[in-house]
Amino acid sequence: SQELEQSPQSLIVQEGKNLTINCTSSKTLYGLYWYKQKYGEGLIFLMMLQKGGEEKSHEKITAKLDEKKQQSSLHITASQPSHAGIYLCGAGLLYNNNDMRFGAGTRLTVKP
Amino acid sequence: DGGITQSPKYLFRKEGQNVTLSCEQNLNHDAMYWYRQDPGQGLRLIYYSQIVNDFQKGDIAEGYSVSREKKESFPLTVTSAQKNPTAFYLCASSMSLNTEAFFGQGTRLTVV
Repeated sequence: SQELEQSPQSLIVQEGKNLTINCTSSKTLYGLYWYKQKYGEGLIFLMMLQKGGEEKSHEKITAKLDEKKQQSSLHITASQPSHAGIYLCGAGLLYNNNDMRFGAGTRLTVKP
Repeated sequence: DGGITQSPKYLFRKEGQNVTLSCEQNLNHDAMYWYRQDPGQGLRLIYYSQIVNDFQKGDIAEGYSVSREKKESFPLTVTSAQKNPTAFYLCASSMSLNTEAFFGQGTRLTVV
């Protein structure tokens, strides 16, 4: 079973719409990472969150980590076709543990 | 330019044969990882290494072997004991605990 649960599994939105992807863990997250992957390619790092309540933004993508450090959300504002891909969250779940684990991913399709 | 390189991009193997996937990084990272990705699934950890000459099994190490003789290199051998080796394999590296991982472009292995 996945230690990191992502929802939804897939998402189809119209260009210009906002969307949110969630990543939930039953354990405290020591370092939560968001990556984007295009089909058949490697992962591109988006953002890292470490502190409870932390929020980071890059262009039209905002990621938040809740105060309890067990849930993160990725929000895209005014989606564009270039946002399409698979979004994965990853985390080192235990302190001093360097074996990063990933969620199953959310496949985003943006319709022009 | 610094980065992490996987080769080859595509690999075909006959049943019963061992095959080795290459992963090289020039980022001076201590930690390196191998993941397997199957269609519609997230990344599953095969092996990881925190320092030279040391490596640990991940969730699905059976049928795989690795070595870490040099800091820059972390090759993965898919042995004939791996019952379902057809998949997309991703290598990653990170500087240390709680820093982001950088990924290679992946190797797609097909058993024919």
